[in-house]
Amino acid sequence: AQKVTQAQTEISVVEKEDVTLDCVYETRDTTYYLFWYKQPPSGELVFLIRRNSFDEQNEISGRYSWNFQKSTSSFNFTITASQVVDSAVYFCALSEGGSYIPTFGRGTSLIVHP
Amino acid sequence: SAVISQKPSRDICQRGTSLTIQCQVDSQVTMMFWYRQQPGQSLTLIATANQGSEATYESGFVIDKFPISRPNLTFSTLTVSNMSPEDSSIYLCSVLGTDYGYTFGSGTRLTVV
Repeated sequence: AQKVTQAQTEISVVEKEDVTLDCVYETRDTTYYLFWYKQPPSGELVFLIRRNSFDEQNEISGRYSWNFQKSTSSFNFTITASQVVDSAVYFCALSEGGSYIPTFGRGTSLIVHP
Repeated sequence: SAVISQKPSRDICQRGTSLTIQCQVDSQVTMMFWYRQQPGQSLTLIATANQGSEATYESGFVIDKFPISRPNLTFSTLTVSNMSPEDSSIYLCSVLGTDYGYTFGSGTRLTVV
């Protein structure tokens, strides 16, 4: 069965600090997809990134970067030079190639103080 | 990626009544999902709704409480029946796109009083 663990419940930082959100996953499938979503206070879920299991290349998008390591079953998310607007709940999710039914982690609440 | 219109965005309902939530997608999609997000919690999958077949419910969710319709490839409804305060949550629909990414509706904030 698939499982996603986000051990950090809440992270509080001061603006301009770098912050890393951890995500550890479990799956028996060799084909799977990993995701990060942002949920600001308004409630909508904003898609950030999708990675498939065959692509371990790290990705950078502006201040955001993702580190995918199959050896440790982790897909961590780093925000560089955090801003107040980054304050939100961030969810990591996993879907297996066979079912395409996603499982979400419990989420990490990021609070960025000015 | 698909664009989803979800209605209503929020509602306050009396206990014992029912509310139907609608999701309209701007393109045809096979797989659609309905989630519940209780306050401060993660997303919990209620059911998967594929067009032309009965919805598949996750453990802890039953059709009598959460009937789902999926009349075509662009539309689905979720009804929350005989509501109690414990049903107060955000309800979200989601679709699986051709790029294997998931798009979400804007959510329905339900408060049961």
